[in-house]
Amino acid sequence: AQSVTQPDIHITVSEGASLELRCNYSYGATPYLFWYVQSPGQGLQLLLKYFSGDTLVQGIKGFEAEFKRSQSSFNLRKPSVHWSDAAEYFCAVGGGSGTYKYIFGTGTRLKVLA
Amino acid sequence: DGGITQSPKYLFRKEGQNVTLSCEQNLNHDAMYWYRQDPGQGLRLIYYSQIVNDFQKGDIAEGYSVSREKKESFPLTVTSAQKNPTAFYLCASAGGQSYNEQFFGPGTRLTVL
Repeated sequence: AQSVTQPDIHITVSEGASLELRCNYSYGATPYLFWYVQSPGQGLQLLLKYFSGDTLVQGIKGFEAEFKRSQSSFNLRKPSVHWSDAAEYFCAVGGGSGTYKYIFGTGTRLKVLA
Repeated sequence: DGGITQSPKYLFRKEGQNVTLSCEQNLNHDAMYWYRQDPGQGLRLIYYSQIVNDFQKGDIAEGYSVSREKKESFPLTVTSAQKNPTAFYLCASAGGQSYNEQFFGPGTRLTVL
């Protein structure tokens, strides 16, 4: 079955600390992978995406993610977190079938301590 | 500016009433989607449409209906058959040069009293 797992429901880090949000997926075909960010009461904004090629992808706001096929993972990282990064982060997988249909993880809520 | 608009941002309805949520896009995207978001449950797909006059049920379509008469518009009706309609509803679209990237609207928070 196709699925996306974000094992951490909540994460708290201090401002300036590094961050890693985990994402594991189960998908039959070659996955297209995405990370989105959502501020409270808002829509989702795309941080970065992976379709093919270099397995380390750079996104907006200083985020990056690494695709590891052997581990079925697509973890999101940031070297130094800012207070404005506090939000909910969603990993998603989809694509390949032409339906543009996504499967989303349940999200990780990030809290940043000043 | 291209984008997706959803209206209204907040919607209050009495139990037993049908209500329609609006979603419009000017990105010339073929595909459009409706998701429901509840705390701790991520996004769950209600309906999606790949072309005009065609749409498919998602994972939680019961109690909802949609139409796709125009490429730009994909309204969602929450019917009285939906047992627990209070939630945050997100519309998205995909297609064109963005290829498989979904763009999201700002959402509508529906509260049933």
